Amino acid sequence: GAVVSQHPSRVICKSGTSVKIECRSLDFQATTMFWYRQFPKQSLMLMATSNEGSKATYEQGVEKDKFLINHASLTLSTLTVTSAHPEDSSFYICSARIAGWDTEAFFGQGTRLTVV
Amino acid sequence: DAKTTQPPSMDCAEGRAANLPCNHSTISGNEYVYWYRQIHSQGPQYIIHGLKNNETNEMASLIITEDRKSSTLILPHATLRDTAVYYCIVKTNAGKSTFGDGTTLTVKP
Repeated sequence: GAVVSQHPSRVICKSGTSVKIECRSLDFQATTMFWYRQFPKQSLMLMATSNEGSKATYEQGVEKDKFLINHASLTLSTLTVTSAHPEDSSFYICSARIAGWDTEAFFGQGTRLTVV
Repeated sequence: DAKTTQPPSMDCAEGRAANLPCNHSTISGNEYVYWYRQIHSQGPQYIIHGLKNNETNEMASLIITEDRKSSTLILPHATLRDTAVYYCIVKTNAGKSTFGDGTTLTVKP
């Protein structure tokens, strides 16, 4: 099946610094990628929808200036957490929809961010 | 997208069938039923999806009632590796996935 790869799988950063998370579709082109956040013992919450070559659409309550999303190619989307704080510590997950398919999205393995 | 209701937890004996129910009484005609699962600290994994006909693949079967207001995911021979949180989502094919709390399935030896 289609593979979506996230990097890094774990990252620890200092408060106030920025962290970039990459989401790559390895064997297909993804016109749309989604970014989720998951706090411990909670469900996934959609943060934003990213379409290649255009600005991301953010869900209500998600700060677009804090969570910068770039989808510059059909195989790569990045999420940058700017000026990270401990409350941004979470599990970040991306998913991708195959170009030309309207079916299920494929999920990355997630990135565990810890801000100290 | 329509909301879904799932039991918070279920147990299943190893080797037996696991039947996970989902209610989606407000589903629209163009919305599909998708099932995903999430094993601890991993990204969700797609299992199966359907519109109104029953579906089967190598992982599971999906039974959708005739009125489409509920569905059941069936894992025919559950193994310990099937212990996970199972999410039922209804959405259009191009729509975004809204995850509820899911059902925590525990497969016991």
